[in-house]
Amino acid sequence: SQTIHQWPATLVQPVGSPLSLECTVEGTSNPNLYWYRQAAGRGLQLLFYSVGIGQISSEVPQNLSASRPQDRQFILSSKKLLLSDSGFYLCAWSVDNLYEQYFGPGTRLTVT
Amino acid sequence: RKEVEQDPGPFNVPEGATVAFNCTYSNSASQSFFWYRQDCRKEPKLLMSVYSSGNEDGRFTAQLNRASQYISLLIRDSKLSDSATYLCVVGSNYQLIWGAGTKLIIKP
Repeated sequence: SQTIHQWPATLVQPVGSPLSLECTVEGTSNPNLYWYRQAAGRGLQLLFYSVGIGQISSEVPQNLSASRPQDRQFILSSKKLLLSDSGFYLCAWSVDNLYEQYFGPGTRLTVT
Repeated sequence: RKEVEQDPGPFNVPEGATVAFNCTYSNSASQSFFWYRQDCRKEPKLLMSVYSSGNEDGRFTAQLNRASQYISLLIRDSKLSDSATYLCVVGSNYQLIWGAGTKLIIKP
């Protein structure tokens, strides 16, 4: 069966510091991968998605970037965090049906 | 107007009662519809897809009204473990558009 891992679970970072969040998927090949952010009381916002190694599509212009160095690895990064980057970051995958997505446990980021 | 709108609640419901949520969407060309469940501080989990003909999974029934552009979720014989936030999700142009969720609290 497929599993998805995210780490760390929680993170507190100062404004201006860098960020790296990692997501890995097991048990499937060539998944579609997604990064979402959920602000308190808001719907999930799609940040990036990837249909293959090195292929990244950005949905929202911001100071975040994403990379997919391996088939089942998806990384979210920032060079300098802003207060507005605080939120719950979720990685998800899908295979045959783009709309049926399965989520990792998420990383709760607080920028202070 | 938000693309997907839900009543944020909370809905406070006694155990064993029936509860229903609605969700409206703005894009008439939307193709797929889902309900996800999200427990406090956890990731969303797919609860059920919503089909044009309506579908049922145990105590849960989902319906789609394309003409009025709304989706509904009915929970019968509610359990304490049903307490969660229910997210309405619409698939359009190969992306998922998420509602902010309806919070449900089941009271003993």
